[in-house]
Parts: sequence; structure tokens; C-alpha cells
Amino acid sequence: GIQVEQSPPDLILQEGANSTLRCNFSDSVNNLQWFHQNPWGQLINLFYIPSGTKQNGRLSATTVATERYSLLYISSSQTTDSGVYFCAVVDTGRRALTFGSGTRLQVQP
Amino acid sequence: DGGITQSPKYLFRKEGQNVTLSCEQNLNHDAMYWYRQDPGQGLRLIYYSQIVNDFQKGDIAEGYSVSREKKESFPLTVTSAQKNPTAFYLCASSIPQGAGGQNEQFFGPGTRLTVL
Repeated sequence: GIQVEQSPPDLILQEGANSTLRCNFSDSVNNLQWFHQNPWGQLINLFYIPSGTKQNGRLSATTVATERYSLLYISSSQTTDSGVYFCAVVDTGRRALTFGSGTRLQVQP
Repeated sequence: DGGITQSPKYLFRKEGQNVTLSCEQNLNHDAMYWYRQDPGQGLRLIYYSQIVNDFQKGDIAEGYSVSREKKESFPLTVTSAQKNPTAFYLCASSIPQGAGGQNEQFFGPGTRLTVL
């Protein structure tokens, strides 16, 4: 099946810093989503982005489907951005999400 | 409000018992999914259903069973055959792939199952 790799696995930032999270996938995809998992375990949808670029406030994402990667940008980070960020994809041979192992982000005041 | 609800939030089970986790959605989505998350890891697919009365095994279906008798409901039973059931279980729903529009998946708040 499709492989999804996220980097870095862990990231510590000072409040106000910017960061880039990366997601590489091994095959063509029909769907790519970015999630933020909060401390209570809830998965919050950030972006549905199988291709192109989207922005939502301080967050933006870009997927280059032909090169099989996606990037999540966090600008002016806040302590509330802490948590785990997951990338997940649906490939052409399957109808459910395959998740990466996540990037654990800690934003310090 | 439209959304996905899961119950209970916390569940404790004795070894050898079957337990059923509830998942209900009022988003009018045809497709529903069950995922399992172990500490420090991503989610893995247990079962999914694209339509009522039909479902398929995911990557880790052994020791689990599901039913899909209603569009709104997709309960998951963790059986005694599941050797290591302690985990966080998340339910999701979406418009099925190919049905037009985005097939973005939305998740419920999860159920934490602990085997005593």
C-alpha cells in the first residue's frame, strides 16, 4: 500500500516563530488532508488539499501531486498550535485514509 | 448542529468481554470509517463502509466486527479475539469517493478503551 512519511517527527518552537512540516507519499493520491490533533485527541481538519495551495489565517498548505509531497506552513506560532499534526492520503486503489506518523509540535512561550 | 458523536468517551473492559463502541453522524454522509490509534502513532484503518448494508475490512480488522444497518450509524464491536484492544478509537464519515464533491473525512471525538 501507499507509504506516507512526515518530517520532522518532533519540533520545538518559540512563540512567534515560523515552521514548515513536510509530508511525502509514495503513490498518486485522490485526497490529501492535514489534521491537528489536540491534547484531548480530537482530530481537527485543517486542509483538504489534493493539489494546489490554500491558506487559512496563519496556516497555509501546498501539495505538489506530481512530485508526491505536501507542505504545511505555520506562521507566527502560538502556544495553542501545540499538538500533533497529521498528513493523510487516499490513494487510487483504496477508499480510506492512510496516515503518516505525525509531527509533534511544541510551542513554548 | 451537524456532526459525529461517539460514545462512550471512556470504556473499561475486562479480558474476555466483547464491547461495542457507538458512532452516529447527522451529516448525511454515505461513507463511514473506524480507525485505531496507539500512543505516539498515526491512525490505522479497521473497517469502512461506503453504503448501508455493505462494509470492507481495513488493515487491522482481526478481532473486530461492524454492522451498517442505518446510514447514520456504524457501531464497532471489539471482540475477545482482539489480543491488544487498549487504544483510542476514532470514527469518521465522508461523501464516498466518486460521488461528486470533496470526499473530505470528518472525525468524531473518539473513545478510549482500556482493558483491565
